[in-house]
Amino acid sequence: DTGVSQDPRHKITKRGQNVTFRCDPISEHNRLYWYRQTLGQGPEFLTYFQNEAQLEKSRLLSDRFSAERPKGSFSTLEIQRTEQGDSAMYLCASSPSPGQGSSNNSPLHFGNGTRLTVT
Amino acid sequence: AQKVTQAQTEISVVEKEDVTLDCVYETRDTTYYLFWYKQPPSGELVFLIRRNSFDEQNEISGRYSWNFQKSTSSFNFTITASQVVDSAVYFCALSEVNSGGYQKVTFGTGTKLQVIP
Repeated sequence: DTGVSQDPRHKITKRGQNVTFRCDPISEHNRLYWYRQTLGQGPEFLTYFQNEAQLEKSRLLSDRFSAERPKGSFSTLEIQRTEQGDSAMYLCASSPSPGQGSSNNSPLHFGNGTRLTVT
Repeated sequence: AQKVTQAQTEISVVEKEDVTLDCVYETRDTTYYLFWYKQPPSGELVFLIRRNSFDEQNEISGRYSWNFQKSTSSFNFTITASQVVDSAVYFCALSEVNSGGYQKVTFGTGTKLQVIP
């Protein structure tokens, strides 16, 4: 396994359009996270999945944002009616859960991110 | 609420100099983990080290060393004999297990390190 992969790497869209990003976590990891990172800032938590269950959503995740992980493997993050303020790097990360032989504080393994530019 | 502060926004050093990146954290929990990540220009966050709240032993790994001091809530990172390849943004992060039983990771705002040849 080569790590967490995200697609696309870059996305340019016009304001008002919908966009969807995909994340494929490390195959044996059942925890999946989405983060957003704007210029000069650290990653900010958006949402978390354990298998297919979305267990937490940040207040940053407005109702225009929706994330899914239908089969507990890959995940998608959709932004509807994009706004210029949505321009950012969207990062996906995965980690094993304690039931997979690790501690409850395993390092997050990040993908390369999807850079979104809304014009 | 947990918080991570990296007061140094940008640091420039000349190659072969030593440099220390500061990290101060706030948490109410007694059990937590601290991490350092490196983000090179390519964008991927690379895990460097994890430390749990019960282990205050300093650690050295090659040119990297970490100083964890619980009394001052600090987890500083030193690069010895810096190299141009060390140029990146470095993030300190704090992980706690929340009421739902899973880890919540909070990142600092990062320190951009530029090593000048």
